[in-house]
Amino acid sequence: AQTVTQSQPEMSVQEAETVTLSCTYDTSESDYYLFWYKQPPSRQMILVIRQEAYKQQNATENRFSVNFQKAAKSFSLKISDSQLGDAAMYFCAYRSARGGTSYGKLTFGQGTILTVHP
Amino acid sequence: ETGVTQTPRHLVMGMTNKKSLKCEQHLGHNAMYWYKQSAKKPLELMFVYNFKEQTENNSVPSRFSPECPNSSHLFLHLHTLQPEDSALYLCASSQDDRVLNTIYFGEGSWLTVV
Repeated sequence: AQTVTQSQPEMSVQEAETVTLSCTYDTSESDYYLFWYKQPPSRQMILVIRQEAYKQQNATENRFSVNFQKAAKSFSLKISDSQLGDAAMYFCAYRSARGGTSYGKLTFGQGTILTVHP
Repeated sequence: ETGVTQTPRHLVMGMTNKKSLKCEQHLGHNAMYWYKQSAKKPLELMFVYNFKEQTENNSVPSRFSPECPNSSHLFLHLHTLQPEDSALYLCASSQDDRVLNTIYFGEGSWLTVV
């Protein structure tokens, strides 16, 4: 079974600065997907960024980028130019690429609470 | 504003009660999901419906009973729950569960079992 570990229960950053959230995972599969989700106080989970394991290039979405190290099974999220609206709980998630499995069957980490100071 | 709406947002029920959570999506999707988020465990998938057919039951106890009358609506019927069932229940939808699409979540229903 796959596991996802987020070792930082809480992180904080100053507005306009950069912060990196860590995530490691354990799997015996070679093809899979990795995600970062954001959960603000409204509790709605919002997809931030997605990485396909077969792609060597790190995914980027505006101020959000990942550092995907497949051999090390590491998938960190970097938030540049942090904004007050980035304050939320961030979840790392894994999804097998194996056929016949629900695409909704994500394995989530425990989450990291990000605080942004003005 | 979310395209996935959940009601009620908060629910308190006794262990002998019967209640239901409702989810409605306005995104034209064909897949709908129930997830459970509790304080002690990571977010976990409970049920999946794709084109109104249940395609996944993640070993959920029978005191949770899902219903999907059409692609836009999903219910979670609750009966004889336990205090450990207290959690945030998130509904979500996607275009089609057979392909990798973005999953859109609602804001959840907070359930407290007393």
